[in-house]
Amino acid sequence: GQSLEQPSEVTAVEGAIVQINCTYQTSGFYGLSWYQQHDGGAPTFLSYNALDGLEETGRFSSFLSRSDSYGYLLLQELQMKDSASYFCAVYPQGGKLIFGQGTELSVKP
Amino acid sequence: DTGVSQDPRHKITKRGQNVTFRCDPISEHNRLYWYRQTLGQGPEFLTYFQNEAQLEKSRLLSDRFSAERPKGSFSTLEIQRTEQGDSAMYLCASSYQTGGANTGELFFGEGSRLTVL
Repeated sequence: GQSLEQPSEVTAVEGAIVQINCTYQTSGFYGLSWYQQHDGGAPTFLSYNALDGLEETGRFSSFLSRSDSYGYLLLQELQMKDSASYFCAVYPQGGKLIFGQGTELSVKP
Repeated sequence: DTGVSQDPRHKITKRGQNVTFRCDPISEHNRLYWYRQTLGQGPEFLTYFQNEAQLEKSRLLSDRFSAERPKGSFSTLEIQRTEQGDSAMYLCASSYQTGGANTGELFFGEGSRLTVL
């Protein structure tokens, strides 16, 4: 089976940096993705890590350590519009994507 | 292409009725996924197709649920004899994958919200 753990809530202020951690246990592993979902909206793709290391895309970065079954999403220069739910998701075998329960990020002024 | 579209966006039905949702993926995408999401939870995998072949169906999924993708384009998800516990947002997503390459990106539709009274 598969399980993913991430914090349920995180609060930060505008302009700050926040890190959302994700640990996973899967029977196989192809890669780790991150998605953002605003209230009432569809999940949208942020990043994908198949190999160890840091991937940077603008204000967002994602990290993966396959040996530790661990990854994180780093959000810099937080803006109010970043308030949303963030999901880590794994490909156990390259087919289906399994999502975590999500982290609700609240950005305060 | 306007992305993944789902219809209807909202459906209210009485317990015991059958409902069907339709998903039109991005045209060049060969993979299509169905997920279910309830408030405060992550999307729960239901099933996925590669072209017209249904490659996997969640073992947790009741046999009241069936999905088809007859010509490898649009897909339908039918729920028979609905129960109140079926109330959720049903999300469709699509992607293109060839060989072993995987970008990790699914494109989601806005979802079909089901309320069972």
